[in-house]
Amino acid sequence: GNSVTQMEGPVTLSEEAFLTINCTYTATGYPSLFWYVQYPGEGLQLLLKATKADDKGSNKGFEATYRKETTSFHLEKGSVQVSDSAVYFCAPTPQGGSEKLVFGKGTKLTVNP
Amino acid sequence: GAGVSQSPRYKVAKRGQDVALRCDPISGHVSLFWYQQALGQGPEFLTYFQNEAQLDKSGLPSDRFFAERPEGSVSTLKIQRTQQEDSAVYLCASSLMTGGSPLHFGNGTRLTVT
Repeated sequence: GNSVTQMEGPVTLSEEAFLTINCTYTATGYPSLFWYVQYPGEGLQLLLKATKADDKGSNKGFEATYRKETTSFHLEKGSVQVSDSAVYFCAPTPQGGSEKLVFGKGTKLTVNP
Repeated sequence: GAGVSQSPRYKVAKRGQDVALRCDPISGHVSLFWYQQALGQGPEFLTYFQNEAQLDKSGLPSDRFFAERPEGSVSTLKIQRTQQEDSAVYLCASSLMTGGSPLHFGNGTRLTVT
């Protein structure tokens, strides 16, 4: 089955700082990889995804590259904003077989002005 | 709106009561998932439907938990004889297709068992 190890938080940064949230996974099959974000008081929403090795997913200034050799999918942003304060979840899913996403514990990010 | 809708938004139940949580997925979405999210934790998988068929219920924590999607659209998660450890946010998600399609989540139902 799939499992995911995500950098523990909380992470507190100042505005315009560089962000990295590490994520490594184990998976059966050849997974697609996702980052989901949960803003305060809201449901989870897809932030970005990558479906094959060396793909780079990007959205809202965030990027993550699918590294098959290191089974990693680290989330990065060059300059965070206060509005990026949220909980971030890494999740792999297999291409075939079970459809369920396996979520990491989440990393809470707080960005201060 | 066109998103996943869950009701009620909040539910308080006395220990031993039965509860039913409803999920309206995005129209036309084949797959539907239920997750349980405890405070400060990531969502934990409960069960998965493809249309009306429940293909995976390996995450249901006990036989007190039951889910159905009889017409392949709306789904209900029922918890019988609720216990305090059932207190959590229950999330529903749907996706258009199988095979790694992104999930669209509802805002969840926060269940508190007193």
